[in-house]
Amino acid sequence: DAKTTQPTSMDCAEGRAANLPCNHSTISGNEYVYWYRQIHSQGPQYIIHGLKNNETNEMASLIITEDRKSSTLILPHATLRDTAVYYCIVHNYGQNFVFGPGTRLSVLP
Amino acid sequence: DAGVIQSPRHEVTEMGQEVTLRCKPISGHNSLFWYRQTMMRGLELLIYFNNNVPIDDSGMPEDRFSAKMPNASFSTLKIQPSEPRDSAVYFCASRGGSTDTQYFGPGTRLTVL
Repeated sequence: DAKTTQPTSMDCAEGRAANLPCNHSTISGNEYVYWYRQIHSQGPQYIIHGLKNNETNEMASLIITEDRKSSTLILPHATLRDTAVYYCIVHNYGQNFVFGPGTRLSVLP
Repeated sequence: DAGVIQSPRHEVTEMGQEVTLRCKPISGHNSLFWYRQTMMRGLELLIYFNNNVPIDDSGMPEDRFSAKMPNASFSTLKIQPSEPRDSAVYFCASRGGSTDTQYFGPGTRLTVL
């Protein structure tokens, strides 16, 4: 019962912004949008999360549409080290995370 | 802040042997999670603990798998006897505070021959 839909793969040029989309049309009002990434051979790494408002931290920005049915993770200046699988997760507080297949982002020199 | 610590990082064993994976959560975190990742099935939750008590073990594949958390700073995942299909990367994650954010360890790559 996948709650999110992400493209299988994306490419981005080094130094450019990487915009990773996620559709979550069935999200409920109390569910958060979480983003994690997994660099090859490492554990998943937390990036950012949000409920309704756009969020920004030192790693990325999260833009959530007004109807909350989709969101975009933005890496403002992608580097080669940002090559990873990016997971968008819709999560209800207190429940378990369910990881889908994610988007494989390749940052190209 | 050392993060979540897992050991060993790599384990190669023969079918039928007992395997024990270890995890030290982030200090102060009160929830601990064990995941398994394979190419075929992706990242799956096996079991999680809250305040050292197992809450949900519905993801544990079968009786050959068991997990314990004797105290707040240590957990084990044991497979006995191991089988080749148990080959995977096993991750431990911990959670604490007022958010649901989980922090993952580096994983243990298990190969059962």
